[in-house]
Amino acid sequence: QSALTQPASVSGSPGQSITISCTGTSSDVGSYNLVSWYQQHPGKAPKLMIYEVSKRPSGVSNRFSGSKSGNTASLTISGLQAEDEADYYCCSYAGSSYVVFGGGTKLTVL
Amino acid sequence: EVQLVESGGGLVQPGGSLRLSCAASGFTFSSYEMNWVRQAPGKGLEWVSYISSSGSTIYYADSVKGRFTISRDNAKNSLYLQMNSLRAEDTAVYYCARDLGWFEIDYWGQGTLVTVSS
Repeated sequence: QSALTQPASVSGSPGQSITISCTGTSSDVGSYNLVSWYQQHPGKAPKLMIYEVSKRPSGVSNRFSGSKSGNTASLTISGLQAEDEADYYCCSYAGSSYVVFGGGTKLTVL
Repeated sequence: EVQLVESGGGLVQPGGSLRLSCAASGFTFSSYEMNWVRQAPGKGLEWVSYISSSGSTIYYADSVKGRFTISRDNAKNSLYLQMNSLRAEDTAVYYCARDLGWFEIDYWGQGTLVTVSS
């Protein structure tokens, strides 16, 4: 099982919207609506931002949204804020009781 | 408040063993599936192992299969990871993580660092 593909970095200015892609295969992202997204600030534990492709846990801002098309999932952050600067990881169930993460995307708020 | 507190990390020589523990509180531990996820220094996240709420079903990543053993004690609200035949590439922060369902993780511990080096 290979890691999901994410861009190494993305950037945006405060107030703008950005989208982070997460590309897998027909064996993982394309087959299951079990894609989750995690935010990780330096030196901290990851935090769940999106699960089951597009669901937001209680307490997560509605500026965060998720979607999927074919083998690619996406995380969109609207109205960028300075505190959104962090690493973001996607994750997908890959069948056969296996899970695969993306390599991570560093979001810089300019 | 859900809390997951890992312990047991440290420096170990290649080929050595280490046992990680995770103390859970703030929720009914016995009702939840659990995972271990690791992160090598400066690298991304890697799923390591899963255990069902009763402990009857267990899965491992290929990279640790045959060397690591996950277990739990629901009476003690604790999760464990026994790591044997450790390699340099096992060096990472190990996170204890609560499963929301289908390996999606809703809570993470603060992590414990394991360093495998001579």
